[in-house]
This record gives sequence, C-alpha cells and structure tokens, in this order.
Amino acid sequence: DGGITQSPKYLFRKEGQNVTLSCEQNLNHDAMYWYRQDPGQGLRLIYYSQIVNDFQKGDIAEGYSVSREKKESFPLTVTSAQKNPTAFYLCASSLGLARRDEQFFGPGTRLTVL
Amino acid sequence: GNSVTQMEGPVTLSEEAFLTINCTYTATGYPSLFWYVQYPGEGLQLLLKATKADDKGSNKGFEATYRKETTSFHLEKGSVQVSDSAVYFCALTQGGSEKLVFGKGTKLTVNP
Repeated sequence: DGGITQSPKYLFRKEGQNVTLSCEQNLNHDAMYWYRQDPGQGLRLIYYSQIVNDFQKGDIAEGYSVSREKKESFPLTVTSAQKNPTAFYLCASSLGLARRDEQFFGPGTRLTVL
Repeated sequence: GNSVTQMEGPVTLSEEAFLTINCTYTATGYPSLFWYVQYPGEGLQLLLKATKADDKGSNKGFEATYRKETTSFHLEKGSVQVSDSAVYFCALTQGGSEKLVFGKGTKLTVNP
C-alpha cells in the first residue's frame, strides 16, 4: 500500500538535545512538507521540498533543519535552538510541480521535551 | 498574504443534525480549496476539494461549494453521525505551488 510513514509515533527528548523525526513516502511524490501543530493554532509550515536536494523555509523554520537526499525521505531535525519544541509534527507529500493537487499526510510524531 | 478563516469551535451537535462549518479565504489569483479532517491522534485526511469557482466538492455526505464572489468554501452535511466527530480544517493552495495555508481548525463533537 502506498502512503507516508512517520517514526516514532511518540518521542521524548531532554532539553538541549537535538532529535531527528523520520518521514518516508512510497507515493513517488516530488514534493514533501513538514508541519507543526499546536492546540488552537492549526498547522504551520516548517520546511518544504519540491525536488530532491532542494528545500525552502516555511513560516516557522527557526530551530529546525531538513535534508532531501532521496525522493522518498525528508527527515526533520529539531535542534536545541528551537525554544518550544513540544508539539505534534506532521509530514506530508504531494505530486508537486505546481499541479495544485492534494497533500497526503502521515500519522504524525508527538514530540515532548522533558 | 493568503489566509483562511474558519468558524471557531468547538461545535457540538446531536446525531442526525445539520452541520455547517464556515470558511472564508483571502487569496491572490485562483487558489484550490480543500477540507481536511483529523481524527483523534491521527494525521490529516483529505475530505473534499474544489479547484475552480462554482465547483462543488463532495465526499461521505459532506459538501462544499467554491464561491468566488463571497470568497467562501463552507462545509455542510445534512445528517451527522457520531463517527464524524473530529477536527475539520479548511485550506487553500498559494502561489504556483501546492503549499497549503490552513485555517485554525474546528472541533466537531457529535453526541448520540
């Protein structure tokens, strides 16, 4: 079955540590996205990538980093510079190339900083 | 910039009641419009979409019509079920890409 997988589902981190969230898709999509979801604030775009080896900052990129070395994978690193990292993180993908198609979402990773 | 405003929740209804969740948008050009649904503890799923003015998206008994004159995309369902309890997000694409701009979400609870 085609889809998007995110791991782990729950992640706990000590303050000051970097942590990497995994996102893999087998939909052959060109574009991939990372969102952060906080209660009452909807979804906010962190980073997005329209093609391999290229990515752009979204609305709240500070304290985060990404890479896109393979079409299928778009890992997100939450660095110690992120002041308030506790949140629900969602990865998504789409056909890309401005086809104006829908985004498909993974099940999310809930990150808690202790 | 582009933005989406949807009615604040939470919305609580009895089973078989009529549902409307209002969504209005501000955008340049001609965005595509979407409704996504999020069940507790899960990611988002596309519920329906419309890509041009006067298009009606429909799925699972839900409907929404792309109204350019009122810049609206209200979600409706004639008879809700307990299983419809979820958070609903209105969204639009911006620019020449598939980047989405989301509303803040409306939580719906349907009681038996």
